[in-house]
Amino acid sequence: GAGVSQSPSNKVTEKGKDVELRCDPISGHTALYWYRQSLGQGLEFLIYFQGNSAPDKSGLPSDRFSAERTGGSVSTLTIQRTQQEDSAVYLCASSDPQGYGYTFGSGTRLTVV
Amino acid sequence: RKEVEQDPGPFNVPEGATVAFNCTYSNSASQSFFWYRQDCRKEPKLLMSVYSSGNEDGRFTAQLNRASQYISLLIRDSKLSDSATYLCVVNSAAGNKLTFGGGTRVLVKP
Repeated sequence: GAGVSQSPSNKVTEKGKDVELRCDPISGHTALYWYRQSLGQGLEFLIYFQGNSAPDKSGLPSDRFSAERTGGSVSTLTIQRTQQEDSAVYLCASSDPQGYGYTFGSGTRLTVV
Repeated sequence: RKEVEQDPGPFNVPEGATVAFNCTYSNSASQSFFWYRQDCRKEPKLLMSVYSSGNEDGRFTAQLNRASQYISLLIRDSKLSDSATYLCVVNSAAGNKLTFGGGTRVLVKP
């Protein structure tokens, strides 16, 4: 596609429920990143994919968070047993193989009530 | 020490004035550097890459100082529409992980 697509754009969920966030990167972009941003805060790195593998998962805040990427394309970030502190905007970005031209999606705004 | 550090501001700038701010990074092997702009409640968007020789794009000038490990952004003839948070982004030597600074908030006022 022309840009990085994320869905849903907004998600309200009850505490304790599981959620799945989807990122569809730009075609041909081999690298894919997940970040989250709490209100008024900076971007917090979560996980990075190169192709289907995740060489860096260091930012996942707990074992309730997991992510996968299939076919070198779409990625899904799953949060199990959501907590209120998980409320944030979850941003996905992709880049070309040379590592230039990082493009962000418009994010998923997650609210845990 | 954070990997990428920025003065959070805000920098209050009169319309038409020049503003400049820096970003320091700790990994001397970092290879790629970028400035992103983020408007309130929007995703970050690439403003410009930063090259070793320095580069200019209209009213924006970016510089890289490898010896002192910082990059800078200068905005000339500030417009009201320049009000935003400017994020410094560094790509590690492995070329894998983007590391973001906390952002510098710029407010341009009439």
